[in-house]
Amino acid sequence: AQSVTQPDIHITVSEGASLELRCNYSYGATPYLFWYVQSPGQGLQLLLKYFSGDTLVQGIKGFEAEFKRSQSSFNLRKPSVHWSDAAEYFCAVGYSGGGADGLTFGKGTHLIIQP
Amino acid sequence: EADIYQTPRYLVIGTGKKITLECSQTMGHDKMYWYQQDPGMELHLIHYSYGVNSTEKGDLSSESTVSRIRTEHFPLTLESARPSHTSQYLCASSEWGQEVYTFGSGTRLTVV
Repeated sequence: AQSVTQPDIHITVSEGASLELRCNYSYGATPYLFWYVQSPGQGLQLLLKYFSGDTLVQGIKGFEAEFKRSQSSFNLRKPSVHWSDAAEYFCAVGYSGGGADGLTFGKGTHLIIQP
Repeated sequence: EADIYQTPRYLVIGTGKKITLECSQTMGHDKMYWYQQDPGMELHLIHYSYGVNSTEKGDLSSESTVSRIRTEHFPLTLESARPSHTSQYLCASSEWGQEVYTFGSGTRLTVV
């Protein structure tokens, strides 16, 4: 069964500093990988996705992520965070075979921005 | 602009009541999903649908039921709510063959 691990429950970063959120997955086939962001009381918004091809993917709001098959990782990065980036971030893995049985999500990383 | 709508946003009800959480999407997506999310926890898939008249149970066992009579509508029903059902319920949809999900804003349910 597929699984997603986000080892950091909380991360605190100063505004303007760089950010990296870690994500490791366990999956037997070629994964589809996603990062979503959730603001308080809201649904999830897609930041970026990886299906195939270039392992460095660009997303919205200045985020990027790099797929490293050898490390089973898909870490999210941003060179300079803004106070508005404070939110919950979820990594997710999907089935590349096109099935309808849903994405598997990590437990999330809560990002706190210090002024 | 939201293309998937969930109502109500917040609901507080008494134990034993029957409730239906509404989810509608305007994108014509075949696949729809219900996730349950407890505070500070990951999302767990409780129901999904491939299309009209198709419903399946997800990874997390749930006492709720769903129906899919129309493509755009995927309501979730609890026949008799209990405090253990207190949670946030998120609805999502995607096109067949695509794994990009669009999420609704969620319904935060409190059963007292």
